[in-house]
Amino acid sequence: DAKTTQPPSMDCAEGRAANLPCNHSTISGNEYVYWYRQIHSQGPQYIIHGLKNNETNEMASLIITEDRKSSTLILPHATLRDTAVYYCIVRLRSNDYKLSFGAGTTVTVRA
Amino acid sequence: KAGVTQTPRYLIKTRGQQVTLSCSPISGHRSVSWYQQTPGQGLQFLFEYFSETQRNKGNFPGRFSGRQFSNSRSEMNVSTLELGDSALYLCASGDGVTDTQYFGPGTRLTVL
Repeated sequence: DAKTTQPPSMDCAEGRAANLPCNHSTISGNEYVYWYRQIHSQGPQYIIHGLKNNETNEMASLIITEDRKSSTLILPHATLRDTAVYYCIVRLRSNDYKLSFGAGTTVTVRA
Repeated sequence: KAGVTQTPRYLIKTRGQQVTLSCSPISGHRSVSWYQQTPGQGLQFLFEYFSETQRNKGNFPGRFSGRQFSNSRSEMNVSTLELGDSALYLCASGDGVTDTQYFGPGTRLTVL
């Protein structure tokens, strides 16, 4: 799996958009970008994934640059419940289900 | 659909004992993966089962083993427990269509 780089932490004001960057400069053409988050001591929660097009669901939006070397997860209106560790992962969509988690970004949403 | 369930949620064992953890995947999912999470090492992949066969394995000693049953439920076993095995053990199931994995709440194992 390609390696990802995320900032260790970031703060966000409640109600504002949170933009979480991720660098994956060695990503290959058939690797997807996945985002998960983990609220303290719970299991990771799937957020969104994408290959090269921007994606949006009820939780977030994923913006992938044209060269695919970086991406941004956008939480449109952050709430206190969005405080968590956010993981950006790249992986092949194949029979290999292994997810390689890095240290992630600790996001703290402040009132 | 019900989510991934793991039992027990909390477990306390002593060194040298063995432990078995259970995971029931989301209905219809055939892939089950196990992960260990510790403060020092983060989330690390243990192994993955698909249709009762181990398909992928992480870098853990042979004391860690697993199996999957015909109904896709999975168990992992840790023998001869060590203090360092204290961790949150997470199970994830995959739908085999979108290849997205969904995690359970985890089992918190404490080894004394």
